[in-house]
Amino acid sequence: DVKVTQSSRYLVKRTGEKVFLECVQDMDHENMFWYRQDPGLGLRLIYFSYDVKMKEKGDIPEGYSVSREKKERFSLILESASTNQTSMYLCASSPTSLGLNTEAFFGQGTRLTVV
Amino acid sequence: DAKTTQPPSMDCAEGRAANLPCNHSTISGNEYVYWYRQIHSQGPQYIIHGLKNNETNEMASLIITEDRKSSTLILPHATLRDTAVYYCIVRDMNTGFQKLVFGTGTRLLVSP
Repeated sequence: DVKVTQSSRYLVKRTGEKVFLECVQDMDHENMFWYRQDPGLGLRLIYFSYDVKMKEKGDIPEGYSVSREKKERFSLILESASTNQTSMYLCASSPTSLGLNTEAFFGQGTRLTVV
Repeated sequence: DAKTTQPPSMDCAEGRAANLPCNHSTISGNEYVYWYRQIHSQGPQYIIHGLKNNETNEMASLIITEDRKSSTLILPHATLRDTAVYYCIVRDMNTGFQKLVFGTGTRLLVSP
């Protein structure tokens, strides 16, 4: 069974803390994504990566950074957490296959609360 | 930016067909139409995708208009478990990397 695993289901952090959200996939996928999801705003892309050590900004990268040192792991970093980063964070991965179905698989999400 | 437009919500009676529309008027020739759904408290799940022709699988059918500017996802016999947010996405499959950009989706409520 294919799997994308996020390290925490629920997380509470204090304002100003450095926060790491971890995501691991076991499907040998090249592409990995981080989204945040807020009521009324749908899923918004924060960062994505199409290869080890490669990263690209999504639509809302401000206040975030990412790390992809190994193919299976994609980390989202909140350098200094703020209350407006309270959200549900979703990680996804997909293969790179030109012209073929590249279905994306999602983790269960991490609900982060910054107090 | 999302390249699709969907109604924010729809209702459907259990056992009836649910028809979810999507507008993608700026779709280009290389872009496929993908549908995902997200059941409460879970990550989105792939449903179906297509380019020009209508497609069917065990979950749903996808009808794409001839000009490809809109499509409809059909759940032929909706059940209570189909209550979810449904997302329509366009993706360029002819590039090595395919970014997934979601809109706000359609919240489908299936009632007894």
